[in-house]
Amino acid sequence: SQTIHQWPATLVQPVGSPLSLECTVEGTSNPNLYWYRQAAGRGLQLLFYSVGIGQISSEVPQNLSASRPQDRQFILSSKKLLLSDSGFYLCAWRATGGLYNEQFFGPGTRLTVL
Amino acid sequence: GENVGLHLPTLSVQEGDNSIINCAYSNSASDYFIWYKQESGKGPQFIIDIRSNMDKRQGQRVTVLLNKTVKHLSLQIAATQPGDSAVYFCAEKPQGSARQLTFGSGTQLTVLP
Repeated sequence: SQTIHQWPATLVQPVGSPLSLECTVEGTSNPNLYWYRQAAGRGLQLLFYSVGIGQISSEVPQNLSASRPQDRQFILSSKKLLLSDSGFYLCAWRATGGLYNEQFFGPGTRLTVL
Repeated sequence: GENVGLHLPTLSVQEGDNSIINCAYSNSASDYFIWYKQESGKGPQFIIDIRSNMDKRQGQRVTVLLNKTVKHLSLQIAATQPGDSAVYFCAEKPQGSARQLTFGSGTQLTVLP
């Protein structure tokens, strides 16, 4: 069966510090991968998605970047965090090969920037 | 842009009653819809999906109804239980796009004892 992992689960960082969040998927090959941000009491905002190694699409201009160094690894980064980067970050994967495949979400990372 | 929105941000129901959570979408080109459940501090979990060539789909205690005429989606939960308390999101996929979903803002369902 497929599983998706995210770490760390929680993170408190000062403004101006760097960020690296990691997401890995097991049990599938060549998945589509996604990074979302969720503000408190709000919906999901798509930040990045990837259809393959090294292929990243950015949905919104921001202080963050994403990379996919391996097929089942997706990393969210920042060189200098802003207060507005606080939120709940969710990674998701989707099987390729069809139009009607749901996305499966990881447990999320709660980021607080102080 | 076009959005997926929800009629009610919060919904409270008595344990054992049926719940109906509604979702309005504005992209008539969407051809696939999903309902997710998100418990506090956790990632969203898939509940049920429906393609645009269907009007109704049933799962275990849940039913999704799709009305393409008025662009409305609903999730019905039978015999609501305390464990059903969560935020429920609908999501839509534009026709021809295999990659992306657009999520609504969510409805908080609270089950009262």
